[in-house]
Amino acid sequence: GAVVSQHPSWVICKSGTSVKIECRSLDFQATTMFWYRQFPKQSLMLMATSNEGSKATYEQGVEKDKFLINHASLTLSTLTVTSAHPEDSSFYICSAARGSTGNTIYFGEGSWLTVV
Amino acid sequence: KNEVEQSPQNLTAQEGEFITINCSYSVGISALHWLQQHPGGGIVSLFMLSSGKKKHGRLIATINIQEKHSSLHITASHPRDSAVYICADTNFGNEKLTFGTGTRLTIIP
Repeated sequence: GAVVSQHPSWVICKSGTSVKIECRSLDFQATTMFWYRQFPKQSLMLMATSNEGSKATYEQGVEKDKFLINHASLTLSTLTVTSAHPEDSSFYICSAARGSTGNTIYFGEGSWLTVV
Repeated sequence: KNEVEQSPQNLTAQEGEFITINCSYSVGISALHWLQQHPGGGIVSLFMLSSGKKKHGRLIATINIQEKHSSLHITASHPRDSAVYICADTNFGNEKLTFGTGTRLTIIP
């Protein structure tokens, strides 16, 4: 079946550094991918919609210059957390929709980011 | 504004019990998703439905479009079913998911 792979699964970085998280659709092409963030014991929150070949669409309150999204191919979207701070520590997860209606949604495994 | 509400927020039950988790949404949708999130964070899509009922193993999902309500049932619950169950919907012409707050299910042996 369709698989969305996310890497790394967990990462620890120092404050002020940047971290890149990759999201790949392994056996289908994804023109649209989504990036979510989840703080402990809270709901998933959509950060941005990643569109292949064009700029990402960010949700209100999400800093586009801090969370850089690149969707350079139909199978890869990347999220870069720039100048990371401890408050950026969170669980980040991507999803991709498959099919013409986009209603079959697959999630990556998620990435735990800890900024120290 | 679309809102998705789940109940209960937390549910603890004995192994073997029949489990029901409810989800209500406020606007018309194109599909309703039930997701399972394990303690490690990974999310698995259990069901996607736009009408009627679907069954997979011990899991059953139903949706009532008129009442804007969906339920997830687990028969013969098992400790390995312990997880957070999340409902989410997508609206016509929009692939973005709107999430419910999740139901934390704990099945005690």
